[in-house]
Amino acid sequence: LAKTTQPISMDSYEGQEVNITCSHNNIATNDYITWYQQFPSQGPRFIIQGYKTKVTNEVASLFIPADRKSSTLSLPRVSLSDTAVYYCLVGLHSGNTPLVFGKGTRLSVIA
Amino acid sequence: NAGVTQTPKFQVLKTGQSMTLQCAQDMNHNSMYWYRQDPGMGLRLIYYSASEGTTDKGEVPNGYNVSRLNKREFSLRLESAAPSQTSVYFCASRKTGTSGAYEQYFGPGTRLTVT
Repeated sequence: LAKTTQPISMDSYEGQEVNITCSHNNIATNDYITWYQQFPSQGPRFIIQGYKTKVTNEVASLFIPADRKSSTLSLPRVSLSDTAVYYCLVGLHSGNTPLVFGKGTRLSVIA
Repeated sequence: NAGVTQTPKFQVLKTGQSMTLQCAQDMNHNSMYWYRQDPGMGLRLIYYSASEGTTDKGEVPNGYNVSRLNKREFSLRLESAAPSQTSVYFCASRKTGTSGAYEQYFGPGTRLTVT
């Protein structure tokens, strides 16, 4: 499984755009990049997934450069409710390669 | 759809006691997982089951056993609880296939304290 590196924590004010970058230098050709969000006292939940270029959904955007060695999760105009831990995962995600979570990035949104 | 359900939600055990954490999913997913999360830490994989009838160790399997009872249910057993097993335990399931990647669904967690 590709190892990922992301910042331990980030702070942001409400209304700002937040970009969290994840480094995954040894990503394999068939690997996907997936981001999860975890609120306190809850299990993680899927936010977004991509393979290359840009993916956007109602929650976030995911930017993946051509070499795929990094990815950036972008949260537009964050609110206090976006305070959570964000995990970047890389892998094929077949049944024989379970998802392995790192420590994630703890995002604190300040009023 | 209830998604992934876990029982119990909370449990306090004395050192040396045993218990089984139950997990069930109603999404017809092939793969199921057990993670533990210690305060302020990320999730660590204990055991997983890629399909009914198979189980494999994850990062931290010592002190635990699992049973994939059928496609829906995946239980985690602590035979002799230790204070180091105080944690929040999350069960998850995922549809898997031969290509691509699929999102993983988590249960609400079981908060276990061993005294």
